[in-house]
Amino acid sequence: GAGVSQSPSNKVTEKGKDVELRCDPISGHTALYWYRQSLGQGLEFLIYFQGNSAPDKSGLPSDRFSAERTGGSVSTLTIQRTQQEDSAVYLCASSLARPSSYGYTFGSGTRLTVV
Amino acid sequence: SQQGEEDPQALSIQEGENATMNCSYKTSINNLQWYRQNSGRGLVHLILIRSNEREKHSGRLRVTLDTSKKSSSLLITASRAADTASYFCVAYSGAGSYQLTFGKGTKLSVIP
Repeated sequence: GAGVSQSPSNKVTEKGKDVELRCDPISGHTALYWYRQSLGQGLEFLIYFQGNSAPDKSGLPSDRFSAERTGGSVSTLTIQRTQQEDSAVYLCASSLARPSSYGYTFGSGTRLTVV
Repeated sequence: SQQGEEDPQALSIQEGENATMNCSYKTSINNLQWYRQNSGRGLVHLILIRSNEREKHSGRLRVTLDTSKKSSSLLITASRAADTASYFCVAYSGAGSYQLTFGKGTKLSVIP
């Protein structure tokens, strides 16, 4: 598609359940990012994929969080044994390997609510 | 990249007025980018200004960059209710890292 697509747009889950969030980046964009934004807060970096290189996982808050990117395209962020503090909007962005004058393109996010 | 710090944290103006937001950063940059976020969802890239540029325009947006003061400003002229959003700046160092670090943004409210 023309933009970054994220699904689902909203997810309500019970505490302790696992969730999977999906990001479909712009075709040809080799860099893919996941961010998290809690209510009223700034964006918190989670993980970054660049081509076939090892991902930068330095922002993942705990070992309950993991992400993969298959075939250099679609990415899945998995949160195991969800906690209430995981409630946030999860944003995905993609870019060309080098930032262009068009910056980074974000998806509309997945709003996760853990009850 | 490095974190830009936006100022003020919140700004409320009447429709038709101009809105000015500021951004400060700490070390040298390759470029500085401004983003808008509506209703806590996806961010939209507004404008990118390179370190060798001093001013850039895009429609009702005007961005200035002062590398000696390590600061940038975003001016929205003739504001509209639809400009109500949070605005973020990102100072990109270009030093081998493609990470973008966001601050808490400026929350702009345009009152009809």
